Amino acid sequence: GDSVTQMEGPVTLSEEAFLTINCTYTATGYPSLFWYVQYPGEGLQLLLKATKADDKGSNKGFEATYRKETTSFHLEKGSVQVSDSAVYFCALSDPPGGSYIPTFGRGTSLIVHP
Amino acid sequence: GAVVSQHPSRVICKSGTSVKIECRSLDFQATTMFWYRQFPKKSLMLMATSNEGSKATYEQGVEKDKFLINHASLTLSTLTVTSAHPEDSSFYICSARDKMGQGVNEQFFGPGTRLTVL
Repeated sequence: GDSVTQMEGPVTLSEEAFLTINCTYTATGYPSLFWYVQYPGEGLQLLLKATKADDKGSNKGFEATYRKETTSFHLEKGSVQVSDSAVYFCALSDPPGGSYIPTFGRGTSLIVHP
Repeated sequence: GAVVSQHPSRVICKSGTSVKIECRSLDFQATTMFWYRQFPKKSLMLMATSNEGSKATYEQGVEKDKFLINHASLTLSTLTVTSAHPEDSSFYICSARDKMGQGVNEQFFGPGTRLTVL
């Protein structure tokens, strides 16, 4: 079945450092890929998405590229801020027309210090 | 657009009582809503898929008589935790899929409900 594997956290960085959170997936078809962010005490918010190979999703300085050859969707940001401290979830979903049950990774906690 | 609300955001109840959590899509119609449970420092566990006008589909290991789901309209789904016990304490999150959404199977999440059972 489909699965998503994320690097374990917490990831602790100083402000303005470069961020990478690794995400790899296993899927039988051609899924859409997502990164969600969860701030403390809140629900999930969609951060960015990509629907096909080589697509790059970007938002708020975060980027991730859909790499079919390595089945990866790593999240990156060039300069993190304290306000980026949150839990980040990588997720995939079946392609359009398929029965949609999303698969989430376990989440990676990011802590950014001033 | 694509806002999902949950009510209440936080609830504390006594053991043995029932608690109802509402999930509403505010600016779109959702034929399908999902209910998740999140344990501390853990990922989301899908509990059930709620389909408008029909019975919910529960994931393996989730007691349907314990967690009653009703999806009476295209904008409202409710989760009732019946005879709640301390082990039911958790963060419950709903999400909705836009009825008109095609192409990208994106879900829109509610802000979550923190349930504490004393």
